[in-house]
Amino acid sequence: GQNIDQPTEMTATEGAIVQINCTYQTSGFNGLFWYQQHAGEAPTFLSYNVLDGLEEKGRFSSFLSRSKGYSYLLLKELQMKDSASYLCAVRGGGATNKLIFGTGTLLAVQP
Amino acid sequence: NAGVMQNPRHLVRRRGQEARLRCSPMKGHSHVYWYRQLPEEGLKFMVYLQKENIIDESGMPKERFSAEFPKEGPSILRIQQVVRGDSAAYFCASSPAGLGNQPQHFGDGTRLSIL
Repeated sequence: GQNIDQPTEMTATEGAIVQINCTYQTSGFNGLFWYQQHAGEAPTFLSYNVLDGLEEKGRFSSFLSRSKGYSYLLLKELQMKDSASYLCAVRGGGATNKLIFGTGTLLAVQP
Repeated sequence: NAGVMQNPRHLVRRRGQEARLRCSPMKGHSHVYWYRQLPEEGLKFMVYLQKENIIDESGMPKERFSAEFPKEGPSILRIQQVVRGDSAAYFCASSPAGLGNQPQHFGDGTRLSIL
């Protein structure tokens, strides 16, 4: 079967660092994506990993271990506007380009 | 606005009516995807289309739901004889190519409410 697991909710303090974990079990793997979604808005693309290791993009970094079926999104220097849902999505194997999403992690940044 | 455009943003239908949701992909994108998001649940894949072709419809319910992406005009997701369980947010995404590191870009969604 296809399964993506993320924590449901997290809370962090403004200016701090937070790590959001994602584990996956899918039939095939063609990359892992992280999206940010504010309530009532479109998911917006944050990062993409297809090889093992860390990808850094400003305050956001994403890590992938394919052998462990594991990824994390690291957010540094948290700002209030980072309060949102963070969605982990895996592109499965084969010719299809469909994304399999976790339920998302709702992050609340507190002053 | 060069982003993915969906309309309407909100759609209210009575049980048994038809719902038509439209999606115009980003300029230069020829791949379109539809996802459904139920309250407290993640986005669920429904269908993947290229111009005039359905590539993967493994997530589409077998009855009442259909999708098209004609040569000209937007992609349409059509739900016939709607039921209360169809109430959800429907998101469209587009990408310039099938695979590779190109992310899917999402529209703001259509919130469908069934009375």
